[in-house]
Amino acid sequence: ETGVTQTPRHLVMGMTNKKSLKCEQHLGHNAMYWYKQSAKKPLELMFVYSLEERVENNSVPSRFSPECPNSSHLFLHLHTLQPEDSALYLCASSQSPSTSGANVLTFGAGSRLTVL
Amino acid sequence: GQNIDQPTEMTATEGAIVQINCTYQTSGFNGLFWYQQHAGEAPTFLSYNVLDGLEEKGRFSSFLSRSKGYSYLLLKELQMKDSASYLCAVKDSNYQLIWGAGTKLIIKP
Repeated sequence: ETGVTQTPRHLVMGMTNKKSLKCEQHLGHNAMYWYKQSAKKPLELMFVYSLEERVENNSVPSRFSPECPNSSHLFLHLHTLQPEDSALYLCASSQSPSTSGANVLTFGAGSRLTVL
Repeated sequence: GQNIDQPTEMTATEGAIVQINCTYQTSGFNGLFWYQQHAGEAPTFLSYNVLDGLEEKGRFSSFLSRSKGYSYLLLKELQMKDSASYLCAVKDSNYQLIWGAGTKLIIKP
């Protein structure tokens, strides 16, 4: 399998549930990202991992907890979410997190999260 | 603050030409990207501009004017499959990507 794969594609959870989103990339990239995409809003960068080390955390609430066990896998653990957290969560990968030039992101199709 | 502006929605006719504008105010500039996102799918890379001028890639072209903080994406010979959202993003002086909210393009027969 090639590209960036995200599972599950759709998730409905209550505010007291614990769930995880999974992302896999088979592109040999060194950096992985979590983005939040809400309707009619710009993409919001949540976390960046470079070579399995977190290099960025954009003031994301602690109810979102990322994990990067290796350079091919990225998780987003969800706990005690709020209805306003309902959104499309996109995973992406790239060669390197911070370089000049066209450091193109390859995105997964996203996990559509609904919090009831 | 940093800001990317692009129209929320545009409508065009199959076979025609459409231009999607993007204006930006950022802390520094290290390139501008356009991505295409079909409904329910992953955003995919279309183009990258770092120098002023026009970059042509088949039916799609992207233009950049750094002095004006302005770019556009030009789509020619529109096809129904071009119905999608088009995302503009600028890499700032810290190599952080600043994103616009996207332009939803609707193609009518």
